[in-house]
Amino acid sequence: LAKTTQPISMDSYEGQEVNITCSHNNIATNDYITWYQQFPSQGPRFIIQGYKTKVTNEVASLFIPADRKSSTLSLPRVSLSDTAVYYCLVGEAGTALIFGKGTTLSVSS
Amino acid sequence: GAGVSQTPSNKVTEKGKYVELRCDPISGHTALYWYRQSLGQGPEFLIYFQGTGAADDSGLPNDRFFAVRPEGSVSTLKIQRTERGDSAVYLCASSFIIKYNYGYTFGSGTRLTVV
Repeated sequence: LAKTTQPISMDSYEGQEVNITCSHNNIATNDYITWYQQFPSQGPRFIIQGYKTKVTNEVASLFIPADRKSSTLSLPRVSLSDTAVYYCLVGEAGTALIFGKGTTLSVSS
Repeated sequence: GAGVSQTPSNKVTEKGKYVELRCDPISGHTALYWYRQSLGQGPEFLIYFQGTGAADDSGLPNDRFFAVRPEGSVSTLKIQRTERGDSAVYLCASSFIIKYNYGYTFGSGTRLTVV
């Protein structure tokens, strides 16, 4: 079973910031939090990973509170091409990640 | 290669037949993972290799499914006596195994259709 809970779907408009929150109440000490993006007919693509506090790369930011029981993926100023399924996963390096159903993000103009 | 390569990209087979799906991971990646994905669902874990050995095969649904990675690089997922319920996209991913795991790289998958 997936160890995370996230919204099934979200809607947004172009240019808006989108925040997708994921709950992982039973996260273990050695677990990292990883987010993937998946477009139709493609394999999932790694977006960002973090352990605690805040991580930022050229695509997104990941906010992790001190208790690590949740995390928020932030996509700045989304465009139509950000329409995809976003998966939140937790797991330890060297173990297989377990995917849930993800959050389907729909961006409209 | 630059990415994870999976062949064939599409496979149509008749119920009861045997199929092999191939995965060519990124050069140097010691870990290799197989997942399958049905429409509207997230990828479902099947098996995970570290080097040549299966580190975790708990996701294989039954004994019709088997996977090998004899030289620690290319892997083959084998399905015997295929059933219509085996129809799905089979995804392969690879990664380094390091403490700070920066995630997997997935291939585009093999779409298997059992008719």
